[in-house]
Amino acid sequence: SFVLTQPPSVSVAPGKTARITCGGNNIRAFSVHWYRQKPGQAPVVVIYYDSDRPSGIPERFSGSNSGNTATLTISRVEAGDEADYFCQVWDSGSDHPVVFGGGTKLTVL
Amino acid sequence: QLQLQESGPGLVKPSETLSLTCSVSGDSISSDYYYWGWIRQAPGKGLEWIASVYYSGSTYYNPSLKSRVSIFVDTSKNQFSLEVTSVTAADTAVYFCTRGVRPVDYWGQGSLVTVSS
Repeated sequence: SFVLTQPPSVSVAPGKTARITCGGNNIRAFSVHWYRQKPGQAPVVVIYYDSDRPSGIPERFSGSNSGNTATLTISRVEAGDEADYFCQVWDSGSDHPVVFGGGTKLTVL
Repeated sequence: QLQLQESGPGLVKPSETLSLTCSVSGDSISSDYYYWGWIRQAPGKGLEWIASVYYSGSTYYNPSLKSRVSIFVDTSKNQFSLEVTSVTAADTAVYFCTRGVRPVDYWGQGSLVTVSS
């Protein structure tokens, strides 16, 4: 099955830009979705189809997908952005079609 | 507003069967083009997709769990359910019922299931 690789942790100072990567073989061929999960809560979509933002998600959240890496970018990071972030793809041709990355813990210093 | 609510026992003995139900409100489970499914998260771990069922009735299972898992829909009650047989401590997790796969746009609040004697 398709494998998505995320760094376990990313740290950033408030007001700076955080970039969380999601690596996969030719991931550009897939649409990548990103989720934020705070402790004790269900995940929430922050970016879908590589770069679209659901209503209610700040413009500070953006996404890109190229080559073997998709990236979630959070600009002007705030303390409230501290959470776990997961990437996900739908691999329709696989017997394991719903694939998640291992998750990245974003720490706001 | 769509809402998903998991229900089921919070404690299951090893070797027994784990059964969970997801009650859906705010949308029909027979709606076109949606997948309904289950995702779990072991304590302190990442997200693991378990199974999905398409509105048409087609089912999809995580190959690593396929021999022990069943997902089925009760359209009359607007619910769908999960069964996991022969559970072990490794099945201890928060189980989320979900809508969608691209992306997973709605999640239940999650139901903690502990496997222990």
